[in-house]
Amino acid sequence: DAGITQSPRHKVTETGTPVTLRCHQTENHRYMYWYRQDPGHGLRLIHYSYGVKDTDKGEVSDGYSVSRSKTEDFLLTLESATSSQTSVYFCAISEETSGGNTGELFFGEGSRLTVL
Amino acid sequence: AQTVTQSQPEMSVQEAETVTLSCTYDTSESDYYLFWYKQPPSRQMILVIRQEAYKQQNATENRFSVNFQKAAKSFSLKISDSQLGDAAMYFCAYLNSNYQLIWGAGTKLIIKP
Repeated sequence: DAGITQSPRHKVTETGTPVTLRCHQTENHRYMYWYRQDPGHGLRLIHYSYGVKDTDKGEVSDGYSVSRSKTEDFLLTLESATSSQTSVYFCAISEETSGGNTGELFFGEGSRLTVL
Repeated sequence: AQTVTQSQPEMSVQEAETVTLSCTYDTSESDYYLFWYKQPPSRQMILVIRQEAYKQQNATENRFSVNFQKAAKSFSLKISDSQLGDAAMYFCAYLNSNYQLIWGAGTKLIIKP
């Protein structure tokens, strides 16, 4: 199993408060991703990273920021949480071989965030 | 923009029978990857099978196989000899040239004992 851990696994917070979710990997993979999962929408990409300090926006990036100061950690921050950000958040990393990024993702166990 | 459509929100199958989950996608790219992922109640996503668009041969992994029809932009998953442990949400996904996965909304598979 790929070594990916997410923290916290569950969090309840109030509207307007900042929240940071952490994703930690032990695989030394270059690509890391943050997704949110909501009923009827499947997985939607929030932000992704292709290296230390190299990040880019996904399809639902508004209200979220990320940081990657070292290979193993990818942080997702909600500067001011809203109820619409209540969701399950998944971190993922991409498998890489000598040929590059294969596109196969390994996922963390998810973080359930509830914004009241 | 690329899109992935799974038209079956829920499917059920008798244990030991065969079931096919549908997936269609839209793209103008000629070279890409397609995936089926499984999400059991434990919530963790697991790769089931992967297909490279330039390969005409359908991918197979034990009881799981795909029917890849590139011209029709169709990528269905066939599960043979269904087992109780196959019960899960199944997601079809397309990898674009920016290495971003585009996901379908998922199909819930129920296995009847």
